[in-house]
This record gives sequence, C-alpha cells and structure tokens, in this order.
Amino acid sequence: RKEVEQDPGPFNVPEGATVAFNCTYSNSASQSFFWYRQDCRKEPKLLMSVYSSGNEDGRFTAQLNRASQYISLLIRDSKLSDSATYLCVVKDSNYQLIWGAGTKLIIKP
Amino acid sequence: GAGVSQSPSNKVTEKGKDVELRCDPISGHTALYWYRQSLGQGLEFLIYFQGNSAPDKSGLPSDRFSAERTGGSVSTLTIQRTQQEDSAVYLCASSPDINQPQHFGDGTRLSIL
Repeated sequence: RKEVEQDPGPFNVPEGATVAFNCTYSNSASQSFFWYRQDCRKEPKLLMSVYSSGNEDGRFTAQLNRASQYISLLIRDSKLSDSATYLCVVKDSNYQLIWGAGTKLIIKP
Repeated sequence: GAGVSQSPSNKVTEKGKDVELRCDPISGHTALYWYRQSLGQGLEFLIYFQGNSAPDKSGLPSDRFSAERTGGSVSTLTIQRTQQEDSAVYLCASSPDINQPQHFGDGTRLSIL
C-alpha cells in the first residue's frame, strides 16, 4: 500500500461547479499536511497548508480527518485556471515529505 | 525576489555518461531537497540537506547517485553511468527550515538516450 494515495482522475468539472477530492495517508504519526498545485510540465507550487481545524483560502477549503487518516481539498466556483494536478503532501515524523501522485483536474467551459 | 535556480533546464545525454545538475537555493534557506518526477508520477524524494548536518540520503535509488552541498548553499546532484530509467525531471527545493513549506526550482529535464 502506498503511503499517500490519491485518485489520479481526471476529474472533468464544468466551470463554476464545486469539486472535492481526498487524499489518504497510512502513517498515523504524520505531522503536517499540504496541498500543492502542479501545472503541466511545471514545478509544484504550494497551494495551502492543512490545519487540524480546517482552513479556507478564498475558494479553496482544506480539511484534515486524523481519525480516518485523510485530507481533503474543496474548490468552489471553479475557474478554467484551476485546471491542474493537485498533489497531496504529508510530512512524517522524520520530517520527510511523502508525495502523492496527484489528482488531475480539468475545468471545462 | 530570486527564487530557487536550477541548471541546466534541459539535458540530453547518452547512456553511460555522467551528468551534474545544479541547484542554487533561496538565500538564507538552510534546508535543501532533491526530488525526481517521472512522467505521470508524484515526486520521489532523493536527498535532503539541513544546515551543516549529515544529509539524509535515504531516497537515493542507487550508488550511482550522489549529491553535495558546498558552503551550505549551492548543491550539485551527480548521476554516474546514466541509465535510461534515470530520465525524469529533477526538482530542487529549499525552505527556511524543515518546518516551513518548500519553494521549488523550475527543474532539470533529463533525457537519457
């Protein structure tokens, strides 16, 4: 079993819709959690950290469920520019980052 | 401001040759990471430097891979006797310390013929 698992997608979503995807992690001792966004043939860029109480940044909401060992990302009022691959990242107790393979999101006009 | 700088941006070389990839982190960032990303895959951790501590080499796939970080700044990733499976994008990242999010360079796209 992979340490960090994501649905590879693609998720095909009409512009303006709300979309959510999850990421599960296997190590219950994981300390920190992040969502990165990666555009095609580009480097990953930090989208947001994920806090225990959940956090929101504009149209983006991230949540952590430690009991079930998953994090989620919700995007409201999706834009064409949201099309990208979203990478889930988990920092383990050794401060090493474990990366998911990403979920591809395609926003259609 | 200046971000993480990697060179070259693209490298094409023949199987069996040695290659050197360079990363210049953001000034003042003590942590530096190397990853590689194969087509359609997530990032694979290779090696991590934190200040003057011994690097965490646990992700290096074979002894053909090595990395140095001179003076706590610039890092070089060296791949000896390259193989076709080494073809990937090699990404470097730096952060102010291990608890801070990482800032990535544009990567080096390595193609082994």
